[in-house]
Amino acid sequence: DAGVIQSPRHEVTEMGQEVTLRCKPISGHDYLFWYRQTMMRGLELLIYFNNNVPIDDSGMPEDRFSAKMPNASFSTLKIQPSEPRDSAVYFCASSFRAGWDYGYTFGSGTRLTVV
Amino acid sequence: DAKTTQPPSMDCAEGRAANLPCNHSTISGNEYVYWYRQIHSQGPQYIIHGLKNNETNEMASLIITEDRKSSTLILPHATLRDTAVYYCIVKGSGTYKYIFGTGTRLKVLA
Repeated sequence: DAGVIQSPRHEVTEMGQEVTLRCKPISGHDYLFWYRQTMMRGLELLIYFNNNVPIDDSGMPEDRFSAKMPNASFSTLKIQPSEPRDSAVYFCASSFRAGWDYGYTFGSGTRLTVV
Repeated sequence: DAKTTQPPSMDCAEGRAANLPCNHSTISGNEYVYWYRQIHSQGPQYIIHGLKNNETNEMASLIITEDRKSSTLILPHATLRDTAVYYCIVKGSGTYKYIFGTGTRLKVLA
């Protein structure tokens, strides 16, 4: 099992540009989570999906952020337009339906730098 | 979900047991205690979880006090690769959201 796969690993973009982060969850997992980590705020849950449907997006900071899960094996987190304060490491995690017993599996993250 | 309190940092000698405490005095009856760790530049990694009984797996042991107001994660023989930030999280069975605090930065010393 390759685990949760995120791409790209690093992204540097200019302010105002659109950024798309990608995530492939573990096959068979039906929950997918997007987290953001910064020094100031630590790990924050942005949004999570169950069976490809967004369940809770209360952590999405503002309308510039959007997330989709078109199928069980792919999710995107888009920032448009990007701002320097969006610079962070973005993690995707997935979990099986009973996965709260066994925890999430996190990907390696995408380090985003907006200049 | 109940809040947790952890010491910001700890040191442990390589080969010795690392005992990481967590206070969760407001935990309610249906809330589990989870432990994750995050090694530098990697995503968090699940370690262990428990409700009220002590638990052990290949990575660690979890000791929960009888009143459930605190717990201790034990790494029996710490190695340099166990240097990481360790997060104690309390989460109800009906929610899928983990709220990560600031954790304990464990440094294992050679």
